[in-house]
Amino acid sequence: KNEVEQSPQNLTAQEGEFITINCSYSVGISALHWLQQHPGGGIVSLFMLSSGKKKHGRLIATINIQEKHSSLHITASHPRDSAVYICAVIQGAQKLVFGQGTRLTINP
Amino acid sequence: GAVVSQHPSWVICKSGTSVKIECRSLDFQATTMFWYRQFPKQSLMLMATSNEGSKATYEQGVEKDKFLINHASLTLSTLTVTSAHPEDSSFYICSARGVLAGGYNEQFFGPGTRLTVL
Repeated sequence: KNEVEQSPQNLTAQEGEFITINCSYSVGISALHWLQQHPGGGIVSLFMLSSGKKKHGRLIATINIQEKHSSLHITASHPRDSAVYICAVIQGAQKLVFGQGTRLTINP
Repeated sequence: GAVVSQHPSWVICKSGTSVKIECRSLDFQATTMFWYRQFPKQSLMLMATSNEGSKATYEQGVEKDKFLINHASLTLSTLTVTSAHPEDSSFYICSARGVLAGGYNEQFFGPGTRLTVL
């Protein structure tokens, strides 16, 4: 069993739908990243959070430290949101442990 | 936001040659830089961690003599793939961590370098 599990692995939705991607982890962490990787390969850090909730535009990330669970939500999804979303937890001082990613496709 | 650049973005080379990839933090000082490798449809795998001015720490299974890492300054790290072979073909991503304005310690990723060894 991976230390960081994401679900679903693949998600296809229609434009405008509300999207939720989940991340569960089994190790102690100091913080958690949500990353976005587009088909070209470049990775963008969307959020880094260690408690509570953060919002940026149509993106919302929440984390529950007690339950070792985080969610990434996308409101009013758009085809340009199509990408791979990766959850990564920070163990110790700096080591990142990555989930396997969720491939999101938003159809027009 | 802070930016991390990589150069080149892609490279094709012949088997046996060496390839150098640069990673720069453009508007912050990166106390730590990380090098990752990603094979198609797989997650990132950490290869090594480097702190400015000291030797890199390699992950288990990564040959330090094959993947030479130099972190000479707080804004530049290089990864040299020596005597590259087709099995080294991959997507190499660097990441830089540093303290930004406001005192937050954050980590940013470069756009990646696609290496193809013929």
